[in-house]
Amino acid sequence: DTGVSQDPRHKITKRGQNVTFRCDPISEHNRLYWYRQTLGQGPEFLTYFQNEAQLEKSRLLSDRFSAERPKGSFSTLEIQRTEQGDSAMYLCASSPHFRGANYGYTFGSGTRLTVV
Amino acid sequence: AQSVTQPDIHITVSEGASLELRCNYSYGATPYLFWYVQSPGQGLQLLLKYFSGDTLVQGIKGFEAEFKRSQSSFNLRKPSVHWSDAAEYFCAVGGGGTDKLIFGTGTRLQVFP
Repeated sequence: DTGVSQDPRHKITKRGQNVTFRCDPISEHNRLYWYRQTLGQGPEFLTYFQNEAQLEKSRLLSDRFSAERPKGSFSTLEIQRTEQGDSAMYLCASSPHFRGANYGYTFGSGTRLTVV
Repeated sequence: AQSVTQPDIHITVSEGASLELRCNYSYGATPYLFWYVQSPGQGLQLLLKYFSGDTLVQGIKGFEAEFKRSQSSFNLRKPSVHWSDAAEYFCAVGGGGTDKLIFGTGTRLQVFP
């Protein structure tokens, strides 16, 4: 197990295009989280899953954002009609389900999105 | 409101010097507290965490942190800094039945030889 994997590492897209990011958590981790980090800021919570169920979504997750975890393994985060304000690092994390966030997450290396 | 404040945006120390990074929190429930480190272009790595019990917790890479409830603080310390410690450090708080963390804005540590 090599930890949490995110793909792609970098994405440059034109404003108005749709983008999709993928996250593969640690295999035995049931909980999966998405955070967004803008320059000079700490990560901000977007959403999290337990298995395939999306349990909580932040108000930051506008209707242009959608996240899925269809089989309880990998997850995708899609942004439709991207805007320049969406430029950020998108971080995925996972943790064992019986402990959750309070156990401490394992983060992936992130996907850096640049909208031009 | 729940929040985490890291008052120092940027700290510079000489290699071998001691280090203390400050963290103050505001949280309605019993806090679970964390310190993470982030190298440029990378994700975050957990350094240490506090849930309960001994208020001085030890972490990886020689770091420790002390929880002071009366001051709502969870400061990170290291007695002797190495050049490889140069990175961004984030304090975070969670707990109270929620499964999300609230992060501070980070402190960038620069180490001079």
